Amino acid sequence: DAGVTQSPTHLIKTRGQHVTLRCSPISGHKSVSWYQQVLGQGPQFIFQYYEKEERGRGNFPDRFSARQFPNYSSELNVNALLLGDSALYLCASSLTITYEQYFGPGTRLTVT
Amino acid sequence: SQQGEEDPQALSIQEGENATMNCSYKTSINNLQWYRQNSGRGLVHLILIRSNEREKHSGRLRVTLDTSKKSSSLLITASRAADTASYFCATLKAAGNKLTFGGGTRVLVKP
Repeated sequence: DAGVTQSPTHLIKTRGQHVTLRCSPISGHKSVSWYQQVLGQGPQFIFQYYEKEERGRGNFPDRFSARQFPNYSSELNVNALLLGDSALYLCASSLTITYEQYFGPGTRLTVT
Repeated sequence: SQQGEEDPQALSIQEGENATMNCSYKTSINNLQWYRQNSGRGLVHLILIRSNEREKHSGRLRVTLDTSKKSSSLLITASRAADTASYFCATLKAAGNKLTFGGGTRVLVKP
């Protein structure tokens, strides 16, 4: 079975631009979560979606938004990019909210 | 803020030795999960232990959980060079829906 997939793998943007990251969960998983991992730190929770509804939001500004589609795939959008948004963005899927989360390989975003 | 805090921050051992790392957390949890991350890529799920469990094994991994002390430990026995990675604990709060990660333990296994 395919694992969690994310696209693109790498991305370079300039300050002020907008970016969309995509995630496809493991087949049968209905929950998708997004995390930001800055170099040298642990992942920080951004959003969780379950059955296409937002179920949790971390301490991130409104420039960050997400959605989940009927096929349970998800997009993370970041507007007005800042240098500090440079990080590895990880998507994780799980059967339900409290089950094990399985992570994708991540999208490395560099903002210049 | 990070719920889980790993100790030590870094660990260097010889192949064949055991590696032990600890995780402390602050609030009541539903479960605690351990992950491995190689070279800043995706996290690999290692083991999940629920709040009503005290110990779990998976291959060369042994995880303990002490809810009275709000702490967990991960033991890797007979380490291999391929175990070189960063290890993170993550907690799911009792009434929560998000994983909260610690800062990780960087393990180097020398051949």
